[in-house]
Amino acid sequence: DVKVTQSSRYLVKRTGEKVFLECVQDMDHENMFWYRQDPGLGLRLIYFSYDVKMKEKGDIPEGYSVSREKKERFSLILESASTNQTSMYLCASSQRRPFNEQFFGPGTRLTVL
Amino acid sequence: GENVEQHPSTLSVQEGDSAVIKCTYSDSASNYFPWYKQELGKRPQLIIDIRSNVGEKKDQRIAVTLNKTAKHFSLHITETQPEDSAVYFCAATPPVDKIIFGKGTRLHILP
Repeated sequence: DVKVTQSSRYLVKRTGEKVFLECVQDMDHENMFWYRQDPGLGLRLIYFSYDVKMKEKGDIPEGYSVSREKKERFSLILESASTNQTSMYLCASSQRRPFNEQFFGPGTRLTVL
Repeated sequence: GENVEQHPSTLSVQEGDSAVIKCTYSDSASNYFPWYKQELGKRPQLIIDIRSNVGEKKDQRIAVTLNKTAKHFSLHITETQPEDSAVYFCAATPPVDKIIFGKGTRLHILP
């Protein structure tokens, strides 16, 4: 059974803090993704990675960075959290094309005060 | 870049009736079209997918159709049940290793 786990289900941080969200998958998937989900806006891609140490910007990378030092782990970093980054963050992983069904983690609900 | 439009944003149907959700995509090179279901408080999960060499695929009460010429694909749910209430996302896969999602349809099944 594919498992994608995220480090926290709920997180509360203060404006200006540095925030780390971690994602781990156990299926040896090449691709990993970070999305944020807001009501009415669907799933918006922040960053993705198709290999260790590789990263690509998604649709809304501003204010975020990522790190992928190991194949199974993909971290999302908010360098200086702001209130408009309050959201649900979902991590996902997939194999390379063509078999690239995405498997999602449970999500982290981040609140920035 | 690739864009996926999804309609309607909200859909309410009587239990037992059918529901249809429609999506269009912009990149004609897209060749894989998955549908994800997200129940309240849970993660999105794949429920059905279709590849561009197939026009229709069915799995019990759900079916997906694809019209490559019109760049249009649809999800059909028949004999809807309360457990079908969820948010549904369509997606298209251009020739890169990422998926472009539609904005989602919130489906309500009315008793």
